[in-house]
Amino acid sequence: AQSVSQHNHHVILSEAASLELGCNYSYGGTVNLFWYVQYPGQHLQLLLKYFSGDPLVKGIKGFEAEFIKSKFSFNLRKPSVQWSDTAEYFCAGGPPGNTGKLIFGQGTTLQVKP
Amino acid sequence: DTAVSQTPKYLVTQMGNDKSIKCEQNLGHDTMYWYKQDSKKFLKIMFSYNNKELIINETVPNRFSPKSPDKAHLNLHINSLELGDSAVYFCASSQDADYQETQYFGPGTRLLVL
Repeated sequence: AQSVSQHNHHVILSEAASLELGCNYSYGGTVNLFWYVQYPGQHLQLLLKYFSGDPLVKGIKGFEAEFIKSKFSFNLRKPSVQWSDTAEYFCAGGPPGNTGKLIFGQGTTLQVKP
Repeated sequence: DTAVSQTPKYLVTQMGNDKSIKCEQNLGHDTMYWYKQDSKKFLKIMFSYNNKELIINETVPNRFSPKSPDKAHLNLHINSLELGDSAVYFCASSQDADYQETQYFGPGTRLLVL
């Protein structure tokens, strides 16, 4: 069955620390991958997405993610986090097809201490 | 200028009641979705409509019935509410049902069934 899993459920970092959140997917063939973020009190919004081409994708607010096909991974990274990065982060995968169906991971709560 | 809006934001009701959640998008998108987020934060697709036609109908009890009066609105009606229906329900929209399209989410409706 198609699935997306996030192994870090709750991450606590100090400001300026580096961040890496894990995401693994289980699809064969073409897959689109997304990272969404939900800041406290705000809507879920797109951080970045990967369809094809350069496996290193850059998103908003200094985030990037690397698609590694051999590891079925799409980890999210940021070299230096800020207090304002405190949020819920969701990895999602879109299987091939034209239904727009997204499968989400369980989410990771990131808490950045000032 | 809210892109995807939902009403109400909070809904507290008794078991057995019938309730509706409304969703509207002003982005001119063709496709709309309903997701359910359970207590463990898993976001799961329930329904998707493309140009008012149902294209995704996951394994959801018949008590849940989506209605799309036009392509800017997708409402969710729930009959005979049960305790297990307590969750956060998110509406989303995308330009079309292509799996590469970014989905834009509403603020969520927190439903509590007592």
